[in-house]
Amino acid sequence: DQQVKQNSPSLSVQEGRISILNCDYTNSMFDYFLWYKKYPAEGPTFLISISSIKDKNEDGRFTVFLNKSAKHLSLHIVPSQPGDSAVYFCAAQPGSARQLTFGSGTQLTVLP
Amino acid sequence: NAGVMQNPRHLVRRRGQEARLRCSPVKGHSHVYWYRQLPEEGLKFMVYLQKENIIDESGMPKERFSAEFPKEGPSILRIQQVVRGDSAAYFCASSPLLAGRGETQYFGPGTRLLVL
Repeated sequence: DQQVKQNSPSLSVQEGRISILNCDYTNSMFDYFLWYKKYPAEGPTFLISISSIKDKNEDGRFTVFLNKSAKHLSLHIVPSQPGDSAVYFCAAQPGSARQLTFGSGTQLTVLP
Repeated sequence: NAGVMQNPRHLVRRRGQEARLRCSPVKGHSHVYWYRQLPEEGLKFMVYLQKENIIDESGMPKERFSAEFPKEGPSILRIQQVVRGDSAAYFCASSPLLAGRGETQYFGPGTRLLVL
C-alpha cells in the first residue's frame, strides 16, 4: 500500500527548460511535504518543503505546488541545469508522527 | 563538515553474522531516524530515537533488528544473523530538538550492506 506515489520513474528535459516532477498521496493525515534530491552513493539532500496550509513555496529555481483537494504536489525546476540530474524523492509527514513516507523516486536527466 | 556522519560506508557480511551501523547526528540534533532503501525503491522508515529512548520502532522488523541512541556516542543500528534480504542501503537522518510539526530531516551518506 503505497501512500506516496511517484508514477514517473524517469524524466528527461533539455537544459534551460522547465522540469516538472509529480507526486500523489493517499493519506489525508499528511500535512507536511518535502522534496529530496539524491545522487548515486550519497544520502538524500533536502531541497524544499511545503506545509499543508500553503499551496506554493518557492526557493530560487525550485517551486513546490500543493493541491490538497487532488492530493497532488509537484516540483518545478526552472531553468533546469545538467547538475540537477539526480533522483528526486517526494516525502510526506503526518501531523501526529515524525517519520517520513517516501515515494519511489523519479530519475531526472537534464540534457545539455 | 557538521553533517550527519555514518560509518562504515560499505559493509560486507556473510549470512549469520552481525552488522553494526553507526550514525552521528548533526551537532545539536537529538532526534535520530533510520531508514532502509532496497534496490529500485524509496526509503522506508525503520525507527525513531531520542537520546536513550526509542520513540517509534513501528517500521523495524521484530526479530534480529535493534537500535539504540545512548546518552554518549553515536546511534547504533544492529542486525543480528544477517540474511541476504538485509542487503540494502541504510540511511540515518537527524533533526533538532524542539522542532515542531513539519521539521526537516537531514540525511547521512548511508551504509551499504551486502550480505553474501
